[in-house]
Amino acid sequence: GESVGLHLPTLSVQEGDNSIINCAYSNSASDYFIWYKQESGKGPQFIIDIRSNMDKRQGQRVTVLLNKTVKHLSLQIAATQPGDSAVYFCAETLATNQAGTALIFGKGTTLSVSS
Amino acid sequence: KAGVTQTPRYLIKTRGQQVTLSCSPISGHRSVSWYQQTPGQGLQFLFEYFSETQRNKGNFPGRFSGRQFSNSRSEMNVSTLELGDSALYLCASSGGLLDPTDTQYFGPGTRLTVL
Repeated sequence: GESVGLHLPTLSVQEGDNSIINCAYSNSASDYFIWYKQESGKGPQFIIDIRSNMDKRQGQRVTVLLNKTVKHLSLQIAATQPGDSAVYFCAETLATNQAGTALIFGKGTTLSVSS
Repeated sequence: KAGVTQTPRYLIKTRGQQVTLSCSPISGHRSVSWYQQTPGQGLQFLFEYFSETQRNKGNFPGRFSGRQFSNSRSEMNVSTLELGDSALYLCASSGGLLDPTDTQYFGPGTRLTVL
């Protein structure tokens, strides 16, 4: 698999490899984080989320890791498939008392999977 | 259950005109949020509506406005269009809970081009 420590705008992997996409978030007060996948011509699609009181959460073929010390989030995709090719965004929420929640998005990473 | 729908999907306007975009949330969802997506600025929060009231607002000029109807459908309006308003406008719906884990589900977006 390919692993990067810093955010990169693009990531190219071979089918079957593991992918790791990184994200740095901005606000230490954020208490909820989400990864979205956006395919060409579509809106962002929810993948997985994690609360700030957790440091790891697993889904189907995906794992999200949260490091609050350095305000870093990562998305791991196991056995990457061509259908995983898309732009991936991390988002944090700032629940502001009685106001609604607004998603603050990070810069996306374009994942390209070749077979 | 049907997803979030947005109309129209594509729109071409000229500078100075105004435009209205429409969003129908997932059935039962009471909150609608709007986001602007551009290559340069990424995904940015515009505003959120809940129970026909604007509950949260991002950092956009007053030319951007919205409203929500009693059936939770929402419209956003941009007046005096500028070239820089060319973007993908995304609508997201959620249950409306003041809980950051209240996942937002996105529609496919309206692609606005200002000439």
